[in-house]
Amino acid sequence: DAGVIQSPRHEVTEMGQEVTLRCKPISGHDYLFWYRQTMMRGLELLIYFNNNVPIDDSGMPEDRFSAKMPNASFSTLKIQPSEPRDSAVYFCASTRGSGRETTGELFFGEGSRLTVL
Amino acid sequence: AQSVTQLGSHVSVSEGALVLLRCNYSSSVPPYLFWYVQYPNQGLQLLLKYTSAATLVKGINGFEAEFKKSETSFHLTKPSAHMSDAAEYFCAVSETQGGSEKLVFGKGTKLTVNP
Repeated sequence: DAGVIQSPRHEVTEMGQEVTLRCKPISGHDYLFWYRQTMMRGLELLIYFNNNVPIDDSGMPEDRFSAKMPNASFSTLKIQPSEPRDSAVYFCASTRGSGRETTGELFFGEGSRLTVL
Repeated sequence: AQSVTQLGSHVSVSEGALVLLRCNYSSSVPPYLFWYVQYPNQGLQLLLKYTSAATLVKGINGFEAEFKKSETSFHLTKPSAHMSDAAEYFCAVSETQGGSEKLVFGKGTKLTVNP
């Protein structure tokens, strides 16, 4: 079975440009999470969805960040405009829940490494 | 809010030696606790999880962790380190009963295994 698929794996862009990161969760998983990883702050939860609906976006750093999940098999994280401090590895993860219960195991993609110059 | 603290951002052991990675948690309710491993340039993978059944939890690759409520700890151990264990290890706590909603991760501990 295919795991969580993220694209692009690497992105180098200039400050002010728009960046779109993409994620395809594992089929049948109804929870999707976006995390950001940096040396200074570790792994931070940005936002998560349940059944395509955003549940908690309190981790989104500011209005420059937005995330969507138009259907069960696709999600995007957009940064507009990008800034050098957005440089990080962005991970998408998914899991299967059952009502309020989930399995407790997140399946992570390989990440998108973003460098903003 | 629940949180985890991993003591030691870097741990170095010799091949064949005991591995001990420390994690303390803060929670006002019985927590669900997890250890994940991240190999270079990869995403995180679940090593093991504690969900209030047995306090000693066995995971993959010979790792285990013991939940100690009195010490609010969930340390990860492996009796004999292997070169392939070199990776970064993350302790995590679930903020809700039942699982992985809002999984909160520690800062990670990078394990180096010396030949």
